Amino acid sequence: EPEVTQTPSHQVTQMGQEVILRCVPISNHLYFYWYRQILGQKVEFLVSFYNNEISEKSEIFDDQFSVERPDGSNFTLKIRSTKLEDSAMYFCASNQEGAGFNEKLFFGSGTQLSVL
Amino acid sequence: DAKTTQPNSMESNEEEPVHLPCNHSTISGTDYIHWYRQLPSQGPEYVIHGLTSNVNNRMASLAIAEDRKSSTLILHRATLRDAAVYYCIRISYNTDKLIFGTGTRLQVFP
Repeated sequence: EPEVTQTPSHQVTQMGQEVILRCVPISNHLYFYWYRQILGQKVEFLVSFYNNEISEKSEIFDDQFSVERPDGSNFTLKIRSTKLEDSAMYFCASNQEGAGFNEKLFFGSGTQLSVL
Repeated sequence: DAKTTQPNSMESNEEEPVHLPCNHSTISGTDYIHWYRQLPSQGPEYVIHGLTSNVNNRMASLAIAEDRKSSTLILHRATLRDAAVYYCIRISYNTDKLIFGTGTRLQVFP
């Protein structure tokens, strides 16, 4: 079965540094998402992206966060100035029609971000 | 607010059926019911979804109550690999996002 690929699997950064998390969604998918999970807590929605625009975002997704689809295959999440509380597992996901439309979501295996 | 209620944990023996309940008493007529699971150190994985009718796929079955206020995920023969946290999620037709609750942690014993 096709997979969503995330790199790197682990990333360590210093507080205040910029970090970019990378994802390669499944090739014919049109909707892209980022979720995160702080250790021991729930999986939380961050943002959804379609047609080169953010379609929905959560309160967590403030001005420090941005997403981009720089080419036809990659989908990135940038955190401009990382904080300790940004330490979490970040999951990329994709699907063809959008999660609310009778469609399943494919998740990657995540990038563990550690902010020191 | 996930708007679903699940038991915190359940246990099963290998090869036995498992019935994972979910209460969604305030569900609207257009909300789909999705189930995902998360194996240790993995991203969430789609299991099954439905709207009104019972659904079957190669992984599981989903039984939806006639009034749609509850549903049950059925694993017909649990394996050790089925040990995971199972999430029951309501998804409205007009949103893209999944709202995860705390789920049910399923332990499977040999």
